Amino acid sequence: DGGITQSPKYLFRKEGQNVTLSCEQNLNHDAMYWYRQDPGQGLRLIYYSQIVNDFQKGDIAEGYSVSREKKESFPLTVTSAQKNPTAFYLCASNQGGGSSYEQYFGPGTRLTVT
Amino acid sequence: AQSVAQPEDQVNVAEGNPLTVKCTYSVSGNPYLFWYVQYPNRGLQFLLKYITGDNLVKGSYGFEAEFNKSQTSFHLKKPSALVSDSALYFCAVRDMNSGNTPLVFGKGTRLSVIA
Repeated sequence: DGGITQSPKYLFRKEGQNVTLSCEQNLNHDAMYWYRQDPGQGLRLIYYSQIVNDFQKGDIAEGYSVSREKKESFPLTVTSAQKNPTAFYLCASNQGGGSSYEQYFGPGTRLTVT
Repeated sequence: AQSVAQPEDQVNVAEGNPLTVKCTYSVSGNPYLFWYVQYPNRGLQFLLKYITGDNLVKGSYGFEAEFNKSQTSFHLKKPSALVSDSALYFCAVRDMNSGNTPLVFGKGTRLSVIA
């Protein structure tokens, strides 16, 4: 899982509550990403950031928000507007400056909302 | 637009036999191609990538992949499968000219190696 930390590993919340998932990297990577993984659906991109103080929506951004105030941190907030938030969330990062760099992934956070 | 197809949801192979996990891609330019493996409740681990040069790429844990431009394929292979290779495998692509954009992933193929 390289130098990417996601905490906590398991998270439980009641419906209607916002929750923030942590992602920290010590790889000095410019770009960071958030994916959602559901059984049989592969990885779906939520948000990504190529540089500090800038981020872009991915394919399923509705009901989520992010910030990128520091290079090493890219927290994801799952809001009460997200209709089906229970999923496995993965954070990733890669070097900037070119398109040949692989993404490195964190260990993931499994969020359960009841 | 970029896309990746992994045509098999599940691949079963006997331990010691060769394995192949298939991947085809679509990009407007030239591709950079990647393979990842995921064990249960873990993040994805990078296995190998094709950037340029030799079409046969060797990676971690004895895996290799062959880039075939005419068939737009990048199949993952291993000469002799181990039970410990059982996992979920993802193929990903990025167009060479797309800059530092997110990788586009396939839906994954579950490999089951039977002892």
